[in-house]
Amino acid sequence: EAEVAQSPRYKITEKSQAVAFWCDPISGHATLYWYRQILGQGPELLVQFQDESVVDDSQLPKDRFSAERLKGVDSTLKIQPAELGDSAMYLCASSLRDSRFNTEAFFGQGTRLTVV
Amino acid sequence: TQLLEQSPQFLSIQEGENLTVYCNSSSVFSSLQWYRQEPGEGPVLLVTVVTGGEVKKLKRLTFQFGDARKDSSLHITAAQPGDTGLYLCAGAGAGSYQLTFGKGTKLSVIP
Repeated sequence: EAEVAQSPRYKITEKSQAVAFWCDPISGHATLYWYRQILGQGPELLVQFQDESVVDDSQLPKDRFSAERLKGVDSTLKIQPAELGDSAMYLCASSLRDSRFNTEAFFGQGTRLTVV
Repeated sequence: TQLLEQSPQFLSIQEGENLTVYCNSSSVFSSLQWYRQEPGEGPVLLVTVVTGGEVKKLKRLTFQFGDARKDSSLHITAAQPGDTGLYLCAGAGAGSYQLTFGKGTKLSVIP
């Protein structure tokens, strides 16, 4: 069964260091989302791609966060420098883009980031 | 950004009891989804509703989309410990692919 792959599964980093997360969506899914989730709360959208283009990054802290999806397939989310408040689960999801505005999202297992 | 409010935030019940959780918004959604998330894992899609008044059943789970497509409910019959988790609703506005999540309802079913 096709699934969204994310790595690493866990990451511990010191504040002020750089950290990167990788996501490989389900093959054929044009839409890719990066969400951040604080423990016990709902996911908050950081950035949304349609193919290789960013369609929404209004909630992305652009002074320290960057995201790319160069060939419209896999994606990388980077934080530099990391801050203590960045500790959270980072989730990647993908969905088909079709004429029905299908937004059923399929999630990876996430990357649990701890900044110390 | 369209806001989704979920209630209750926390729910702890005994095995065998019934429960309902709610997802409300002042905005109209073209579709609404329910997800279940276990600790340390990503959310897993349970169901999508797209038509006002639609009712879908998934074993002991019943999902309903409001007539005006602004709200939804999830009803669980005879809850089991395996139902424990964070239940999230998520919606997309008309003509949009942006998926907005509620804060979730954390359900604990006690054996």
